[in-house]
Amino acid sequence: RKEVEQDPGPFNVPEGATVAFNCTYSNSASQSFFWYRQDCRKEPKLLMSVYSSGNEDGRFTAQLNRASQYISLLIRDSKLSDSATYLCVVNGEAGTALIFGKGTTLSVSS
Amino acid sequence: EAQVTQNPRYLITVTGKKLTVTCSQNMNHEYMSWYRQDPGLGLRQIYYSMNVEVTDKGDVPEGYKVSRKEKRNFPLILESPSPNQTSLYFCASSRSGPPLHFGNGTRLTVT
Repeated sequence: RKEVEQDPGPFNVPEGATVAFNCTYSNSASQSFFWYRQDCRKEPKLLMSVYSSGNEDGRFTAQLNRASQYISLLIRDSKLSDSATYLCVVNGEAGTALIFGKGTTLSVSS
Repeated sequence: EAQVTQNPRYLITVTGKKLTVTCSQNMNHEYMSWYRQDPGLGLRQIYYSMNVEVTDKGDVPEGYKVSRKEKRNFPLILESPSPNQTSLYFCASSRSGPPLHFGNGTRLTVT
């Protein structure tokens, strides 16, 4: 049973495009949701938390759908610097035990 | 500067030779954790610690040990490394739960 699933991609988009990633999770009791960004096997860095009402940070919008158990990340006006792997992260059964998705790779080209 | 520091960054060793990867954080975080990352498998949790002297197994604890004698340090110990432990390792910390602050990673090769 895969607890957190993401489309691995790669998503290849031109600069300026809008791109969306989805992530599904299996544990209906999960309470915390995050998107992390990881560059070239460097350490993951928190991109944004995902709140029930949805939230926006500049060109990035995250949404949570508890009924369907998925979260999404929308990137508007893609930049070359957005090229990275985006990790969906959900808290697991043990509360603070985080479950990471395998990541979705985004490549933005000029 | 708030940070999680791992050492070494790169390590090549031979099967069976005990090694320790150190992790230290300067943010007074209670929670610390170790992950390994392998192609096609994503990040998997090895061990975590909620506070000093409190450690628990993650998803893939076999072949690893940890200790939490001080709040700031959380070393990862491989008593008898094997080639299947060749991986990229990350240490992370947080105040009480997510989100996590990650170290720069340790790339381990066991031959």
